[in-house]
Amino acid sequence: NSKVIQTPRYLVKGQGQKAKMRCIPEKGHPVVFWYQQNKNNEFKFLINFQNQEVLQQIDMTEKRFSAECPSNSPCSLEIQSSEAGDSALYLCASSLQGSAETLYFGSGTRLTVL
Amino acid sequence: QQQVRQSPQSLTVWEGETAILNCSYEDSTFDYFPWYWQFPRESPALLIAIRPVSNKKEDGRFTIFFNKREKKLSLHITDSQPGDSATYFCAANTGGLSGKLTFGEGTQVTVIS
Repeated sequence: NSKVIQTPRYLVKGQGQKAKMRCIPEKGHPVVFWYQQNKNNEFKFLINFQNQEVLQQIDMTEKRFSAECPSNSPCSLEIQSSEAGDSALYLCASSLQGSAETLYFGSGTRLTVL
Repeated sequence: QQQVRQSPQSLTVWEGETAILNCSYEDSTFDYFPWYWQFPRESPALLIAIRPVSNKKEDGRFTIFFNKREKKLSLHITDSQPGDSATYFCAANTGGLSGKLTFGEGTQVTVIS
């Protein structure tokens, strides 16, 4: 069973509001990924970290998305000004050594933007 | 551009039958192919994975067949059970610490008893 902890499980925001979600990776896993899964089940890679450093990220549209993985604190993903199209399941995953190894997903944060 | 494609989009089989899920990819640098399954209202979990050095990987009732020349692979679920009903995702990775998984669109499998 995955020990990646994501909070909150559900998040409801109005358009233009900030939306912030958190992730505690599995203990000992230095690599963290964020994916967005839309209502059509499509996965979109957002960003990944090794410890606190960004490894790879998409060109986050209009810089509305930001993410960080500070030491000794949960990782976080924040949308500065939510849009209806951001409604999706946001999945955090961690692994021992990049995605070549098993990705362990958290239960996700389901964001609804009204 | 969809680099990993799956078919069919959905599949219904009777309990005990073999379900066959197909996956194809474009990038010849992909070197790791995991299959994840996802039950309703749950997160994806690793089911089985293969590397191109092999053309077959078996784990119980689940078998991956891999054809590197054609850039195709398939997942066979033998003796399907109602508990196998889930959405199955084929994924691919180029490896390395900065690697990321590219997922297919998924195949929704329903096993009828």
